[in-house]
Amino acid sequence: KAGVTQTPRYLIKTRGQQVTLSCSPISGHRSVSWYQQTPGQGLQFLFEYFSETQRNKGNFPGRFSGRQFSNSRSEMNVSTLELGDSALYLCASSLAGGTGNTIYFGEGSWLTVV
Amino acid sequence: GESVGLHLPTLSVQEGDNSIINCAYSNSASDYFIWYKQESGKGPQFIIDIRSNMDKRQGQRVTVLLNKTVKHLSLQIAATQPGDSAVYFCAENILGYSSASKIIFGSGTRLSIRP
Repeated sequence: KAGVTQTPRYLIKTRGQQVTLSCSPISGHRSVSWYQQTPGQGLQFLFEYFSETQRNKGNFPGRFSGRQFSNSRSEMNVSTLELGDSALYLCASSLAGGTGNTIYFGEGSWLTVV
Repeated sequence: GESVGLHLPTLSVQEGDNSIINCAYSNSASDYFIWYKQESGKGPQFIIDIRSNMDKRQGQRVTVLLNKTVKHLSLQIAATQPGDSAVYFCAENILGYSSASKIIFGSGTRLSIRP
């Protein structure tokens, strides 16, 4: 069974640009959540999607957005990139969210903003 | 979920010895716990989980112990190998919560192996 797949793995963007990251969850998983991981802040919850609907959102500015498609695949977008957005962005999937359903992470997308 | 990202504590262990990594969880209502392993440059990998109706659960070379009285969780790795080098962190959740946003992640412990 394939794990959570994230693309691209590495990317470099310039301040002011926008970026779109993609995530394919484990087959059968309907919940996809996104996290930002930095050395100084650890894992920070961005948002969660379930059945194409955003179920929860973390404390991030509106520049961070996402969506989920009918096949449960998800994308997140960051507009007007800032240097501080440099981080590892992790996608995780689970059957139906955190309720005793283990969330499984992808390998992440390393974003560097210059 | 929220996590506190501070300076990571480090545990240095001799290869072949047992490792014990500790985690203090914050919410007394939490009843589901997960340990993750994150190797450099990779995403967190699920190791083992435990529900609050258990005190101990064993996997392959790993054992998780749960002490609800003091809100403490530990991960024991038997016969530590070089491939065990990673950051380990625990996560707590409440069964019945239908959202990943409620998962609280610990900041992690860096395990290094001495040859």
